[in-house]
Amino acid sequence: QKEVEQNSGPLSVPEGAIASLNCTYSDRVSQSFFWYRQYSGKSPELIMSIYSNGDKEDGRFTAQLNKASQYVSLLIRDSQPSDSATYLCAVRSRGNTGKLIFGQGTTLQVKP
Amino acid sequence: DVKVTQSSRYLVKRTGEKVFLECVQDMDHENMFWYRQDPGLGLRLIYFSYDVKMKEKGDIPEGYSVSREKKERFSLILESASTNQTSMYLCASSWRGGGQPQHFGDGTRLSIL
Repeated sequence: QKEVEQNSGPLSVPEGAIASLNCTYSDRVSQSFFWYRQYSGKSPELIMSIYSNGDKEDGRFTAQLNKASQYVSLLIRDSQPSDSATYLCAVRSRGNTGKLIFGQGTTLQVKP
Repeated sequence: DVKVTQSSRYLVKRTGEKVFLECVQDMDHENMFWYRQDPGLGLRLIYFSYDVKMKEKGDIPEGYSVSREKKERFSLILESASTNQTSMYLCASSWRGGGQPQHFGDGTRLSIL
């Protein structure tokens, strides 16, 4: 079992729809979770951090965390073609090294 | 804003050469990381450093070494470049404290011919 798992996609949604990206993780003691967006040929860009169970909203983005079920999700409302990218889920590993464990990423395609 | 700067955006080298990739951050971060990213393999950690002159191996350290003589600078060294080291190399940095995200540089696309 991979430590952080994401469906590679592609996930295709029409413009204006809600895109839902999911991530599961294996280490029950994980405390910090991050979503990065990566455009083709570019480096990952942090878009959301979440540390507590529940929802965290930032503009069109909502991160959801459920530690009991060990999953974290990212919702993108009113999806735009510019949201087309690969979304990486990252989970902070045990210890105090600052290491993150990344999922393989989900490719999102928003069609006009 | 955090600024992580990688010395080259594109680099072409020959097999057997010693290759240096440089990374500088301006946020006084304790932690610095080197990854490579290949299609279908995702981000793989090569080495990281949590303090000056301190380093730890990541998941794929073979064929690489690192140097951190100053807090702001973290160098990745390919001792004798090989074609299977052709990849996108990404540097990242973060605060040491719990729950801190990593911030990435723009990446170096390295081709070994």
